[in-house]
This record gives sequence, C-alpha cells and structure tokens, in this order.
Amino acid sequence: DIVMTQSPLSLAVIPGEPASISCRSSQSLLHGNGYNYLAWYLQKPGQSPQVLIYLGSIRASGVPDRFSGSGSGTDFTLKIIRVEAEDVGVYYCMQSLHTPLTFGGGTKVEIK
Amino acid sequence: EVQLLESGGGLVQPGGSLRLSCAASGFTFNTYAMSWVRQAPGKGLEWVSSISDSGVTADYADSVKGRFTISRDNSKNMVYLQMNSLRAEDTAVYYCAKNWDYDILTGYDYWGQGILVTVSS
Repeated sequence: DIVMTQSPLSLAVIPGEPASISCRSSQSLLHGNGYNYLAWYLQKPGQSPQVLIYLGSIRASGVPDRFSGSGSGTDFTLKIIRVEAEDVGVYYCMQSLHTPLTFGGGTKVEIK
Repeated sequence: EVQLLESGGGLVQPGGSLRLSCAASGFTFNTYAMSWVRQAPGKGLEWVSSISDSGVTADYADSVKGRFTISRDNSKNMVYLQMNSLRAEDTAVYYCAKNWDYDILTGYDYWGQGILVTVSS
C-alpha cells in the first residue's frame, strides 16, 4: 500500500499570514499521462470533506486562488498564501494512483 | 447542483448487516465512478470501496473485502454498500463520494453529508 505522510500534524496561523502543508508518498504518484494522482481536501469542523486541489496542482472549481498545490513524484505541498478564518479545519492529502486509495493522517489548521 | 444523499445507517449488533444507499442528482450519473469513504469517530479518512461508471469494475479496502459489496443502479442514480458481518471497528461515518472521472482510480469532487453506522451490542 502507498503510505501518505503529512506534516505538520497541526498548524496555528495568524490571519493574513501564509501556511504550508507537506505530503509525502511512499511511492511515486506520477502517472504515465504526466499527472500526479494527488488531491488535497479540507474538512471544516462538522462538515464533509471538500476538494481543494486535484491532479497535484489543479485548483477545483470555486476554490479561492489563495490555495495552490505543487510537487511531483513523492513530495507535494499545499500552500495558502493568506490564511483566512474560514480556512480552519483538517487538511488531507490522498493518492489515487493505486488501490487501496490512501489518505494522509491530516493536518489541523487553527487560527492564532 | 450536485447532491449526494446517504441513507440506511444506524445501530447494528456485531455480526449483523446493513445496506447503505446514496441517491445522486445534478450530474450524469452513469458517466462517473462512485465511492464510499469512512471516518471512524475522531479519526481520519479511510477509503472503503469504489465502483466504475458502468459497474463492471469495483475494488475494496482489505479491511472490508469479502464482507462489503458495492453496487449501483444507473437507472435510478443510486449507489449502494451492502455491509455484512459487521464488526465494532466498522463504526464510522460513511460518506458517499462522486469520483471526478469514470475510472475508480480518481479522487472525489463531491461528498455527501455522511451517515453514521454504529456496530455495538
């Protein structure tokens, strides 16, 4: 199984400041079509997860442009250029290159 | 507007069975794979099962293989998860999720609100 490792486990950010979350996979997520099969999700308190980024760096429809995804192979990063209060919650990365599809353990983002 | 509405959860004794249903609307159902993802209380997300757009291809997490069966009815825009031989460790909120493509090896662009399954005597 592909193991997804996120860091940090938690993050406290001042509104307006940037934030960065790392996700590492135990195997390359680069498909032969050139895309990385890596997605980022945010689960806000009491809500279902929502997609932010798919195929490594493509922002999902309706996602603010302060969110960006980067990386390739086994190392990926989600960046928020200016954190807002509504960005609190748990962020998960997920690989979909091979079954079983696997998630990272999550990174909890709080506001300072 | 895409909507996914789960039903069928509840309290069941160990060894018992439940069938979860997910009613989908707002998109061309028979052109997308569908999945079930669960979240144990206070824990992270765990992929459970996925089924391709046609229903020909399905796969399962090892933790549920042989006990759970995913299926879909494209004429009714429904996806199901038949859960047998339930264990305490199956206790979780189960989310129905729409894959962003026809193949099961894709992520999810929409999630349902989730439904709680509790396995306890």
